Amino acid sequence: DAKTTQPTSMDCAEGRAANLPCNHSTISGNEYVYWYRQIHSQGPQYIIHGLKNNETNEMASLIITEDRKSSTLILPHATLRDTAVYYCIVYSGYSTLTFGKGTMLLVSP
Amino acid sequence: GAVVSQHPSRVICKSGTSVKIECRSLDFQATTMFWYRQFPKQSLMLMATSNEGSKATYEQGVEKDKFLINHASLTLSTLTVTSAHPEDSSFYICSARDSGGADTQYFGPGTRLTVL
Repeated sequence: DAKTTQPTSMDCAEGRAANLPCNHSTISGNEYVYWYRQIHSQGPQYIIHGLKNNETNEMASLIITEDRKSSTLILPHATLRDTAVYYCIVYSGYSTLTFGKGTMLLVSP
Repeated sequence: GAVVSQHPSRVICKSGTSVKIECRSLDFQATTMFWYRQFPKQSLMLMATSNEGSKATYEQGVEKDKFLINHASLTLSTLTVTSAHPEDSSFYICSARDSGGADTQYFGPGTRLTVL
């Protein structure tokens, strides 16, 4: 039973912002929204996570709606190296990470 | 971010042999580590949860006698694929939960196992 819904694929031009949406309408009060990405033939890389406030780090920004039913990961200036599968996962810290199909982001020149 | 290493990164072995994969958390302690498997064009599937000093918990359908897990210290977990067969060929990835941080899981780079 998928707890998140993401588009299968997205395209983005190099240098532009990439906005990746995620729906998590059944999220529980103690669950965080985590984002990971997996570049081909590598292990997943942690990007960012948040509970209810918007978060920003050196990699990305995470915008969570007030009702916490959806969120958007923003890569402000996408590069070719950002081409990867991006996973949005709801996680309480004491459960296990369950990976769905994610969004395949293709950044083009 | 925290660093998790895996060794080896790639291994090719003959059918019937056993292969050991090591997973280390380099700059944090991990009471809990996880082992995943990923087949081509598929997402990661959790195989087992490894807790330091106790027996691993296996997901349904994963044979515990075939995939031996040892988590003897707070920075090292090992997965041994016993009597490997071609159908065990896959990408094996470990992760470690940073108990001292926000329980974030950090992943290793993965081990590509090919069984001939």
